[in-house]
Amino acid sequence: AQSVAQPEDQVNVAEGNPLTVKCTYSVSGNPYLFWYVQYPNRGLQFLLKYITGDNLVKGSYGFEAEFNKSQTSFHLKKPSALVSDSALYFCAVRELYNFNKFYFGSGTKLNVKP
Amino acid sequence: DAGITQSPRHKVTETGTPVTLRCHQTENHRYMYWYRQDPGHGLRLIHYSYGVKDTDKGEVSDGYSVSRSKTEDFLLTLESATSSQTSVYFCAISEASVGGETNEKLFFGSGTQLSVL
Repeated sequence: AQSVAQPEDQVNVAEGNPLTVKCTYSVSGNPYLFWYVQYPNRGLQFLLKYITGDNLVKGSYGFEAEFNKSQTSFHLKKPSALVSDSALYFCAVRELYNFNKFYFGSGTKLNVKP
Repeated sequence: DAGITQSPRHKVTETGTPVTLRCHQTENHRYMYWYRQDPGHGLRLIHYSYGVKDTDKGEVSDGYSVSRSKTEDFLLTLESATSSQTSVYFCAISEASVGGETNEKLFFGSGTQLSVL
């Protein structure tokens, strides 16, 4: 069965410090991996994706994510956090050949303090 | 939010009443989805559509039905609402590639907050 785990309900970081939001996945075959961000009272917005190629992918707003096949992880990172990065972050996976279904993690609330 | 309109934005209803949520898109995307968002569960797929009149169940489809009579509209119906269906409902869309099969990312509406009392 396909699944996504985000082990931390909340991550707290000081502005200017690096941040990491963790994600591990389980999927048959090669995965398509995604990160989405949700601001209060809004729908989810696409941040970045990994399909194939370089394990480090860059996305919107200075975020990047590292794909690690051996650890089945896809952690979201940013070198220097901003207060405006505070939001709810979701990791998602889609099977390579089952393109109709995306599976989401439970979400991680990122709090960036000034 | 990428040409996706969900209506209503908020609804309060009573247990046992029917409820229909509407998703309207102006992007002419092939795929449409209904998700529900609940604390601790993230987003869970209710139903999805891969074309007009083509729909299929997601992981939490019990108690829900959908219809898609036009490319732009995807309706979610709770035939007899229960308190466990109190949630935030999101519609999402995605496009097929030129080849028609690849489906790389989702675009979400702003959500419908549904309370069943």
